[in-house]
Amino acid sequence: GAVVSQHPSWVICKSGTSVKIECRSLDFQATTMFWYRQFPKQSLMLMATSNEGSKATYEQGVEKDKFLINHASLTLSTLTVTSAHPEDSSFYICSADGSGGASYNEQFFGPGTRLTVL
Amino acid sequence: AQSVTQLGSHVSVSEGALVLLRCNYSSSVPPYLFWYVQYPNQGLQLLLKYTSAATLVKGINGFEAEFKKSETSFHLTKPSAHMSDAAEYFCAVNSGNTPLVFGKGTRLSVIA
Repeated sequence: GAVVSQHPSWVICKSGTSVKIECRSLDFQATTMFWYRQFPKQSLMLMATSNEGSKATYEQGVEKDKFLINHASLTLSTLTVTSAHPEDSSFYICSADGSGGASYNEQFFGPGTRLTVL
Repeated sequence: AQSVTQLGSHVSVSEGALVLLRCNYSSSVPPYLFWYVQYPNQGLQLLLKYTSAATLVKGINGFEAEFKKSETSFHLTKPSAHMSDAAEYFCAVNSGNTPLVFGKGTRLSVIA
């Protein structure tokens, strides 16, 4: 149980285009999902916390107008990178809270999406 | 604020040898501590976590970690390394109701 999927697993796009990444909890409902960004050989940095039915909470320094997050259902959160540029190229990982509430301690991670912006 | 320091960005061990990955934390409140493993181009998998119960925590795949408050450490160990253990390992800390703060990771290589 507690499987989280991401789609697509990798994407290559041209500079200036927008890219949508989906994060789904397959066998449980997640009130809260988290979006992370990971640069090569570096750790995960939390970008935002996504709450079903409400606005996401962004970490300091993350542009909310550039990284649009929608959590429309208890099993799906989406991250849209708008007007992507090469510096947005990274590995984006989502996680979902499997506690049924809003716990940071029961996160199940997706396999990640590698974004390359040309 | 909380932080995690993982000593050694890369650790190499022989197959069958002891694995020791070091993690020291800084926290002004009682910490919750986690170890995750990441295989290439994959997400993170929880190995084990400490949430103020037993100080010696056993996880999956034969890994365990011991919480030592006096040393502010939570080192990860495994008695005998397997080739399949080669991966990136992350230590993380939070206070139970705050976002996880990750260390920079340690890449484990296992030599046949």
